[in-house]
Parts: sequence; structure tokens; C-alpha cells
Amino acid sequence: DTAVSQTPKYLVTQMGNDKSIKCEQNLGHDTMYWYKQDSKKFLKIMFSYNNKELIINETVPNRFSPKSPDKAHLNLHINSLELGDSAVYFCASSQGGDGGELFFGEGSRLTVL
Amino acid sequence: AQSVTQLDSQVPVFEEAPVELRCNYSSSVSVYLFWYVQYPNQGLQLLLKYLSGSTLVKGINGFEAEFNKSQTSFHLRKPSVHISDTAEYFCAVNDYKLSFGAGTTVTVRA
Repeated sequence: DTAVSQTPKYLVTQMGNDKSIKCEQNLGHDTMYWYKQDSKKFLKIMFSYNNKELIINETVPNRFSPKSPDKAHLNLHINSLELGDSAVYFCASSQGGDGGELFFGEGSRLTVL
Repeated sequence: AQSVTQLDSQVPVFEEAPVELRCNYSSSVSVYLFWYVQYPNQGLQLLLKYLSGSTLVKGINGFEAEFNKSQTSFHLRKPSVHISDTAEYFCAVNDYKLSFGAGTTVTVRA
């Protein structure tokens, strides 16, 4: 039973389209995250939610809108996709504050043509 | 503000040889330090972490790391690597959010 699961794993779309990535965790964690990994493998935090409340919002274009319907789910919607949005997006969850381990999903590879 | 510098972008190593991956951090407050591993086409998983206490931390798969406060370093070591250790390794620091270094690609050759 996968701890942090993301769908879809692969997404190929045209510039200007809107797309969503879904994430669910069954670990009972309070905090969930979205990270973006670019082609050089650099990982950057985008958003963090704690108990459905947004607590971290890094300098991400407002075309990206996270939504947390409950503490087990954190979805990412992206409007008006651009070429530079092509990346692997990772969802993660954690419990227990700053020292807590992050559990990552397997990633969603987004390719914008 | 915090930052993490991984000093080696690529480390080729022969099977059964030792490996050390270097990580330096800067932070104005006490930090928690982590090493994560990413195998090809997978998400990241935790190798080990330092929160407090003993400066030598042991992790999974035979890895260990040493926290050195005076040198602001948290280097990762393994005395004898296997082919299966080929992966991307990330050092990370957390004082209110987890920030990752740029990663070190370890390639183990027979």
C-alpha cells in the first residue's frame, strides 16, 4: 500500500493548457508539500500545507494553485502552462515539526510542448 | 536564511571502494540536517538525519554522516559501495522549511 501516491505519473500537454496533479498520503501526517525538480535535478519547495492550511508559499507564479480538501490530500492545479513548467513534481508529507522525515511520492513528470 | 552546498556534483567510484560526499550548510539558527537518496525514476527517501546528540549518525544501507558544527559540515560516508548505491544524493537542512543542496550523482562501477 503506497504511502504517498501521485497521479498521473506522466503528463504531456501543450502550452497554454491547464492541468492538475493529485496527491494522497495514507500515513496520517499533518503536513504536505509540493516540490519541483528541474532538469538539473535541483529540488525547490513550492508549497506546504499543515492541516489544510497554507504555511509555505515560495515565490511561485500564481498560475500554480494548490488545494487541500483534507489533510490527506494536496492537489496542484496549473493554469496556462508554459515551457518552463516542464519538470518533475514531487508531493511529500511529514509529521512532527522541523525534524520530521519527509516521505515522497514517486513524482509526476510534466512535459509542456 | 539557510543554504546548503554540496561540494561535488559527480562522484564516480569503483565497487567496494569507500565514498565521501561533502555537504556544507549555512544557517543563523540551530538546524536539523538530512541526507536523502534518489534512485533513478523514484522519489527521495531518507538515509539519515541529525537532530541533536551524537555527532556521528548512522543510517540505512551502511551510510553514516558526521555533523561538525565548527566547520558547518555534514559529510556522508560509506566504507564500501555497491553497484546498487548508484543514485543521486541530496543534503538538506531544515530550520523552518527543508532546503536541498544541488545533489551529488554517485556512479558505482564494477
